[in-house]
Amino acid sequence: KAGVTQTPRYLIKTRGQQVTLSCSPISGHRSVSWYQQTPGQGLQFLFEYFSETQRNKGNFPGRFSGRQFSNSRSEMNVSTLELGDSALYLCASSLPLLGGRWTGELFFGEGSRLTVL
Amino acid sequence: GDSVTQMEGPVTLSEEAFLTINCTYTATGYPSLFWYVQYPGEGLQLLLKATKADDKGSNKGFEATYRKETTSFHLEKGSVQVSDSAVYFCALSDQGTGGFKTIFGAGTRLFVKA
Repeated sequence: KAGVTQTPRYLIKTRGQQVTLSCSPISGHRSVSWYQQTPGQGLQFLFEYFSETQRNKGNFPGRFSGRQFSNSRSEMNVSTLELGDSALYLCASSLPLLGGRWTGELFFGEGSRLTVL
Repeated sequence: GDSVTQMEGPVTLSEEAFLTINCTYTATGYPSLFWYVQYPGEGLQLLLKATKADDKGSNKGFEATYRKETTSFHLEKGSVQVSDSAVYFCALSDQGTGGFKTIFGAGTRLFVKA
């Protein structure tokens, strides 16, 4: 079973540009979450999508946005990049609730490392 | 709101030493608790989990027990190896009206020396 795939793995942008990152979840997983990881702030929750709907959003400015497609693939976009947006962006997928209590296990991709110059 | 606090690192141990990484949490509901591990250059992967009070999660020699009375989920291993060098994250996951959200601790970097 293929894991979570994130593209691109590495990218370099300059301030003011915008970037789009892609995430393909494990087949059958309908929930996709995005996290920003930096040395200073650790893992910060960005947003979570389920069946093309954003269900939860973290405390990030409106420059950070995302969407999910009908095949559960997700993209996140960051506009007007700032130096502080340099980070590892991690995508995670999880199994849908199956009637019982959802356990919350996340399956992570290897991340997209964004450097803003 | 929900939060996770784990001991700061880095933690440096010699091979075969005993490991404890402390983790405490605050939550309004009844969360599931997790330990994830991140090896260099990789994403996070689940190490172990516990879904209710008094559950013990275990994997690869690591253990953690869900203690509701002390709101803790400390990670332990009796004998660490060099290959255990990684960053360890404690996390809780809870389901509210808006879906679920997973909150991570700051991470603890472990170095194991041969």
